[in-house]
Amino acid sequence: GENVEQHPSTLSVQEGDSAVIKCTYSDSASNYFPWYKQELGKGPQLIIDIRSNVGEKKDQRIAVTLNKTAKHFSLHITETQPEDSAVYFCAASKGNTPLVFGKGTRLSVIA
Amino acid sequence: EAGVTQFPSHSVIEKGQTVTLRCDPISGHDNLYWYRRVMGKEIKFLLHFVKESKQDESGMPNNRFLAERTGGTYSTLKVQPAELEDSGVYFCASSQDRDLATNEKLFFGSGTQLSVL
Repeated sequence: GENVEQHPSTLSVQEGDSAVIKCTYSDSASNYFPWYKQELGKGPQLIIDIRSNVGEKKDQRIAVTLNKTAKHFSLHITETQPEDSAVYFCAASKGNTPLVFGKGTRLSVIA
Repeated sequence: EAGVTQFPSHSVIEKGQTVTLRCDPISGHDNLYWYRRVMGKEIKFLLHFVKESKQDESGMPNNRFLAERTGGTYSTLKVQPAELEDSGVYFCASSQDRDLATNEKLFFGSGTQLSVL
């Protein structure tokens, strides 16, 4: 079955700097890659997703890139702000199969 | 529009007791999923309902866990008897359609923090 590895497990950046979180997946048939943000006391919230027919997607300060050949995808957050501090999860799916998640990255943005 | 709601938000029980978690999906969402996160680990799939039918229960840990979705609306997840290793955060999620490779998205509730002492 699918296996998703996520790195790093923790990440601290200065406010205004960029943050990058990387994930790899094992099943080449996976074609849907969402990123979720979980704040304290809340459930995972979808922040951006990418499907395998594109290599990059942007939404304001966040972007996701996908390399199907290497089977990895990354989340990029630019101009980080304190409110970006949270746990971020990547996931992969073949579309009609349940999401398989990485172990999460705790991002701390230091003001 | 209300999101996915879960009840209770926290539950502390002793080993051997029974606990029932409830999830109300977004109205009109046929697909309902249960996931669990044990501290520091990944969010793991438990099972998937399509309306009232169990589509995939391959992630259920053992027969101490029983999920139902009578009438295809809300769902319950019962743990009986609870063991220490059942502690974690149980998330419910819902989507209208099953295929996430199209324009579909999966929405999560806030979770139930279960502590078994």
